[in-house]
Amino acid sequence: QVQLQESGPGLVKPSETLSLTCTVSGGSISPYYWGWIRQPPGKGLEWIGYIYYSGRTDYNPSLKSRVSTSVDTSKNQISLMVNSVTAEDTAVYYCARYLCGDDNTCYAFDIWGQGTMVTVSS
Amino acid sequence: QSALTQPASVSGSPGQSITISCTGTSSGIGNYNLVSWYQQHPGKTPKLIIYGVSERPSGISNRFSDSKSDNTASLTISGLQAEDEAHYYCCLNAGNGIWVFGGGTKLTVL
Repeated sequence: QVQLQESGPGLVKPSETLSLTCTVSGGSISPYYWGWIRQPPGKGLEWIGYIYYSGRTDYNPSLKSRVSTSVDTSKNQISLMVNSVTAEDTAVYYCARYLCGDDNTCYAFDIWGQGTMVTVSS
Repeated sequence: QSALTQPASVSGSPGQSITISCTGTSSGIGNYNLVSWYQQHPGKTPKLIIYGVSERPSGISNRFSDSKSDNTASLTISGLQAEDEAHYYCCLNAGNGIWVFGGGTKLTVL
């Protein structure tokens, strides 16, 4: 049974870089797509971006200039970095696995991590 | 890029049926099989309940169903139960690698 676990600092100072890791257990990173989603306190879900096991990425246009993701297949981990954070980046950050067909059309996020709360504050 | 609009809240009594709409601002939602629905209880992780063409993951009740009309996808929950009280989110694979979530709907079971 595949499980995802996010980890990283719970507190980040404004203007600094937020770095999170998602460790995949019970299964392999490949050949899947992996996504990052966040949820500010009391608010809805926001898609951040995805990374394919091969390293291909794409991001939410509203965050694209500040976000990057990477994959380490040897460690079964994906990572997220958000630069120049502000209080608006305070949120629970989730990693999730995409559910895709054989033609690489993706339909949903079928497995989610438990999420990690990140607060941006001095 | 399509934005998805959901009602902020809906309510219903036990045993009744309710429908939550998800309206797209562009033609993106016309790809009906690329809309998915998630249930999120307070303090919990979102859970996939509907995807593709009315597909439900293993363990999801058949009380959950979906439909589409024009630019709107809808989630229907029949035979409402107290445990259905939660937030519900629609999500669209909008194409070109972009995904969009609706703002979410709070379901209250009266």
